[in-house]
Amino acid sequence: GAVVSQHPSRVICKSGTSVKIECRSLDFQATTMFWYRQFPKQSLMLMATSNEGSKATYEQGVEKDKFLINHASLTLSTLTVTSAHPEDSSFYICSASGRHSYEQYFGPGTRLTVT
Amino acid sequence: GQNIDQPTEMTATEGAIVQINCTYQTSGFNGLFWYQQHAGEAPTFLSYNVLDGLEEKGRFSSFLSRSKGYSYLLLKELQMKDSASYLCAVRDEDSGNTPLVFGKGTRLSVIA
Repeated sequence: GAVVSQHPSRVICKSGTSVKIECRSLDFQATTMFWYRQFPKQSLMLMATSNEGSKATYEQGVEKDKFLINHASLTLSTLTVTSAHPEDSSFYICSASGRHSYEQYFGPGTRLTVT
Repeated sequence: GQNIDQPTEMTATEGAIVQINCTYQTSGFNGLFWYQQHAGEAPTFLSYNVLDGLEEKGRFSSFLSRSKGYSYLLLKELQMKDSASYLCAVRDEDSGNTPLVFGKGTRLSVIA
């Protein structure tokens, strides 16, 4: 299957700082990327859908000014958590979908801890 | 609205067979997915059903009934490494840029 990478895999930051997470499709062109958040023992919650070259569509309750998403190329999307707080500590997972694919390919996830 | 239900937890014995059920209510339907997720890791794709019937892939099989809004994942010859969460997800539109809607997942514990 297709490969999606995320960087970093783990990050610890101080409250009030910003953190950028990268999601890359390594061997296919990802026309759409999705960002999910998962709290312990809970399911994946969709945060936003990002199409290459256009603004992301955010789910209800997700602050677009706090979670900045950029999808500038067909192989890279970034999620920036601005002014992070301890309650933002979570597992962030991206997935990517190609133009003619029914499947979404998940990245390995990023564990964010805000102290 | 979208609603996907699956049991929260299940326990089964090594070597046995277990069936994990999933029911869904979505505005549209264009495929049902099963993913396996080990703790602290991202989900990995197991199966995809878009037509009624059974899809078999090694020890894992997945069944779909669209008229009943029902699917199950069948795991045979259980191994300890099968202990994980199993996520049922539905795509409700025919487009690669439609996100999947996930159920809460079923935590399966395989015991000796």
